Amino acid sequence: DAGVIQSPRHEVTEMGQEVTLRCKPISGHDYLFWYRQTMMRGLELLIYFNNNVPIDDSGMPEDRFSAKMPNASFSTLKIQPSEPRDSAVYFCASSKGTGHYGYTFGSGTRLTVV
Amino acid sequence: KQEVTQIPAALSVPEGENLVLNCSFTDSAIYNLQWFRQDPGKGLTSLLLIQSSQREQTSGRLNASLDKSSGRSTLYIAASQPGDSATYLCAVIRRPGTGNQFYFGTGTSLTVIP
Repeated sequence: DAGVIQSPRHEVTEMGQEVTLRCKPISGHDYLFWYRQTMMRGLELLIYFNNNVPIDDSGMPEDRFSAKMPNASFSTLKIQPSEPRDSAVYFCASSKGTGHYGYTFGSGTRLTVV
Repeated sequence: KQEVTQIPAALSVPEGENLVLNCSFTDSAIYNLQWFRQDPGKGLTSLLLIQSSQREQTSGRLNASLDKSSGRSTLYIAASQPGDSATYLCAVIRRPGTGNQFYFGTGTSLTVIP
């Protein structure tokens, strides 16, 4: 398996623009998570899905953030409009079941909003 | 809320030394605990997963232990090498049915000096 695949690896955008981050989980994994990592706050859970259904989005910082999982092999995290304080590394992770076998993380998307 | 603490925040050791990284958590009702490694600018690589029924796991020069009653886990690295230099993160996984998410520690930044 190719692991959890995220795209793009790097994204630089201007403040106010829409940003879409993409994630392909490992085939057969039924949980998908979006995390954000910054120096100040470490790793923060934004939202997670089970069988394509959002279960907990309490970590989504503002209404500017939205996430979808239209099918088992694809998820997006969208920021509209983007702000400089959204600059961070965004990770996607997936797992089979409720963590019995642990979690696999993607390589992340480094977002810079200027 | 589960809080995960890692001590020390940074550690510098000469090559060849054995070392221990510490992870403590406040709620002992965990499901699993997973140790990750993160290289600068990279994603998270899973090192070891300890399920709640286990007390330790070993992989090569790495040994991780778990003591749920005391809320502690340790990662032991034998005969450290410069290639071990990275940030090490522990993540506590909640019990199924109570939400499915990690609680990450803030990490220990390890530097192994040749």
